[in-house]
Amino acid sequence: GAGVSQSPRYKVAKRGQDVALRCDPISGHVSLFWYQQALGQGPEFLTYFQNEAQLDKSGLPSDRFFAERPEGSVSTLKIQRTQQEDSAVYLCASSSTGGDTGELFFGEGSRLTVL
Amino acid sequence: SQKIEQNSEALNIQEGKTATLTCNYTNYSPAYLQWYRQDPGRGPVFLLLIRENEKEKRKERLKVTFDTTLKQSLFHITASQPADSATYLCALLFSGGYNKLIFGAGTRLAVHP
Repeated sequence: GAGVSQSPRYKVAKRGQDVALRCDPISGHVSLFWYQQALGQGPEFLTYFQNEAQLDKSGLPSDRFFAERPEGSVSTLKIQRTQQEDSAVYLCASSSTGGDTGELFFGEGSRLTVL
Repeated sequence: SQKIEQNSEALNIQEGKTATLTCNYTNYSPAYLQWYRQDPGRGPVFLLLIRENEKEKRKERLKVTFDTTLKQSLFHITASQPADSATYLCALLFSGGYNKLIFGAGTRLAVHP
């Protein structure tokens, strides 16, 4: 596609439910990132993929968060047993470079609200 | 750990004036610094990148400076327009950061007609 596509745009979950957020990066982009953005804050790094390899997951806040990119294109961020503090916008970004990161192309985000 | 500070208060300016936004960082020097624009409900959009060995970068009405001694970047928008109203984020990649861009909280700019 022309840009990074994320779905769903909005998700409301009851506390304790599992959610899955999908990211379709720009075709051919090697690098894929997930960020979490709380209201009024900047994006916080969660995890980074280079092709299908998850090279950095240091930002995942707990073992309830899991990300995958099995074929090196589409990625899914899964949150198990959601808590209210998980409410945020989850941003996906891709980049054409595999080493020295240049410009990141962001999707519009998935806004998660946990009740 | 690395810390990035941007003006937390909104910047209000009159149309036609120059807007200047500040990004300060602590600890290690970054390999490069980027500026992004973010509109409400949208993802950030890349504007400019400046490397540690560059002092200044320009793109149309935008200018970025990078002072590694002061650990500061300034972002200027000349001849500002109401359409420039948005939140501006600075982001740094630190050497050894393995492609992990660290973002500031952003500064909201409002340009009034």
